[in-house]
Amino acid sequence: DADVTQTPRNRITKTGKRIMLECSQTKGHDRMYWYRQDPGLGLRLIYYSFDVKDINKGEISDGYSVSRQAQAKFSLSLESAIPNQTALYFCATSDLKSAGSTDTQYFGPGTRLTVL
Amino acid sequence: QKEVEQNSGPLSVPEGAIASLNCTYSDRGSQSFFWYRQYSGKSPELIMFIYSNGDKEDGRFTAQLNKASQYVSLLIRDSQPSDSATYLCAVNGYSSASKIIFGSGTRLSIRP
Repeated sequence: DADVTQTPRNRITKTGKRIMLECSQTKGHDRMYWYRQDPGLGLRLIYYSFDVKDINKGEISDGYSVSRQAQAKFSLSLESAIPNQTALYFCATSDLKSAGSTDTQYFGPGTRLTVL
Repeated sequence: QKEVEQNSGPLSVPEGAIASLNCTYSDRGSQSFFWYRQYSGKSPELIMFIYSNGDKEDGRFTAQLNKASQYVSLLIRDSQPSDSATYLCAVNGYSSASKIIFGSGTRLSIRP
């Protein structure tokens, strides 16, 4: 079974609809992230959470919100979807134990979201 | 200036040759450096990481780090068609509050 799972894998929705993307992990990591990827723009960080009580905005948080329901679950919501939120969305986890250590990220399979 | 910069490519390399991918970063406090490979429509997967100046080898892959010049590179020896993908460079700072910054990736194409 995959360590990081995302649901749904594909979603087509209409402008103005509320959408929730879910991420679950069995790696036992404290840190979880949501990224979006657009062609030619690489991975851009939307929100990240270093533990259940810690949630931080990334570089493109406008129009998005998140919920960290448990160590293993991190959800991303689009309150009112718009077409320029059409993208590939990735959830990732990492487990940085101490400063100066590596912080390798493990990615879920991605959710392809299309907003019409 | 972007924090992590990569040439977008595409970089075309003949099969069996050495592919050289480069990345520069702006934060001198960066401590950990990663190379991820991403096939089209798939999620990024870690190839290797490096945090000390010099070379680190893993099979056909060698990561090179030069902190004074603020660049990190990835060499792929004996390139195979299966190496055709986008390669993402990522950089992390020293603080435990730091988060990884990704470059926009270099598209590599290995031609038979």
